[in-house]
Amino acid sequence: KAGVTQTPRYLIKTRGQQVTLSCSPISGHRSVSWYQQTPGQGLQFLFEYFSETQRNKGNFPGRFSGRQFSNSRSEMNVSTLELGDSALYLCASSLVTSGGYEQYFGPGTRLTVT
Amino acid sequence: EDQVTQSPEALRLQEGESSSLNCSYTVSGLRGLFWYRQDPGKGPEFLFTLYSAGEEKEKERLKATLTKKESFLHITAPKPEDSATYLCAVQAWGAQKLVFGQGTRLTINP
Repeated sequence: KAGVTQTPRYLIKTRGQQVTLSCSPISGHRSVSWYQQTPGQGLQFLFEYFSETQRNKGNFPGRFSGRQFSNSRSEMNVSTLELGDSALYLCASSLVTSGGYEQYFGPGTRLTVT
Repeated sequence: EDQVTQSPEALRLQEGESSSLNCSYTVSGLRGLFWYRQDPGKGPEFLFTLYSAGEEKEKERLKATLTKKESFLHITAPKPEDSATYLCAVQAWGAQKLVFGQGTRLTINP
């Protein structure tokens, strides 16, 4: 079974631009979460989508937004990029089974803002 | 507010030298405690989910245990390929997000 895929893997943008990152979850997983990872703050939750609805949002400014499509694929958008937005952006897909709950991460998109 | 603290921040061991990593947590109601392994430049790799105090899970040289306040990741006779950052996270009931600790950077010298 294919894992979580994220595109692009690397991105360099200029301050003030906007960026869209894409995530395809594991087949059959309907929940997709996004996290930002930086050396200083570690892994921080951005938002989570299930069946095209945002169920949870972390403490990030409104410049960070996302959406989920009917095939469970998800995108996140960051507008008006700032230098501090440079980070590894991770997508994770989740599944609840009779055995419990598991969340699997993709390889991430490394965003550099100059 | 849910919180996770991992210790030590970094640990250097000789190949074959067993040790434990600690994850202390506070959470409103624990749905699950998660352990991940992360290699440089890669996404976290899922290892275990623990659900209740007293639960233990094993995978190769790794064993995770859970109490009401902390979790331990025991590594037995480690090999250089076990070098990575190990992340602990908690999920509260009713929440979708995982709250992560800062991780323990483990280095195994041959």
